[in-house]
Amino acid sequence: NAGVTQTPKFRILKIGQSMTLQCAQDMNHNYMYWYRQDPGMGLKLIYYSVGAGITDKGEVPNGYNVSRSTTEDFPLRLELAAPSQTSVYFCASSSPRQGATTEAFFGQGTRLTVV
Amino acid sequence: GESVGLHLPTLSVQEGDNSIINCAYSNSASDYFIWYKQESGKGPQFIIDIRSNMDKRQGQRVTVLLNKTVKHLSLQIAATQPGDSAVYFCAEKPNDYKLSFGAGTTVTVRA
Repeated sequence: NAGVTQTPKFRILKIGQSMTLQCAQDMNHNYMYWYRQDPGMGLKLIYYSVGAGITDKGEVPNGYNVSRSTTEDFPLRLELAAPSQTSVYFCASSSPRQGATTEAFFGQGTRLTVV
Repeated sequence: GESVGLHLPTLSVQEGDNSIINCAYSNSASDYFIWYKQESGKGPQFIIDIRSNMDKRQGQRVTVLLNKTVKHLSLQIAATQPGDSAVYFCAEKPNDYKLSFGAGTTVTVRA
């Protein structure tokens, strides 16, 4: 199993540009998450999904959008990039509580710089 | 808002000594807690977890202690090694899908 795969690993965007951060997991996990991590800080939840077709906002959703058309994929969309979105983005997935482990597995991250 | 926090942002430890990393949480509804390790340039990796019906759980060289009375969580690393140098996060799960992280403690192991 590859686990959680994020692409790209690095990206530089100009202000106002848009892009999609890709995330895929092959563990058949229902729950998927997008976090951002600013320097020296913990992880802040942007959006999460409890299953295909279901998404919801986390702590810091402004400026982002997500979709979940399949169990495996959970892309994060930035429509109008701003310098405040310069951060490292992590995708994660986990199983529901009953009868399964519930810790989240993380991808390697996407380092995004907006200039 | 309710959040998870760590007492110290940095910890310097002599190789071979034991490390203790502390975390205070404020959401009394949380019943599941996780410690993650994040090495430079990588995503967080699961270390150990504990449910609220337990006070202590041991893994390989790691022990997590939970004190629900004072809402305190700690991670103990025995015989700290250079490979233990990383940022350590505690996280709480107030429900099935939400995972909230503290700010992290950077552990540096001195040779």
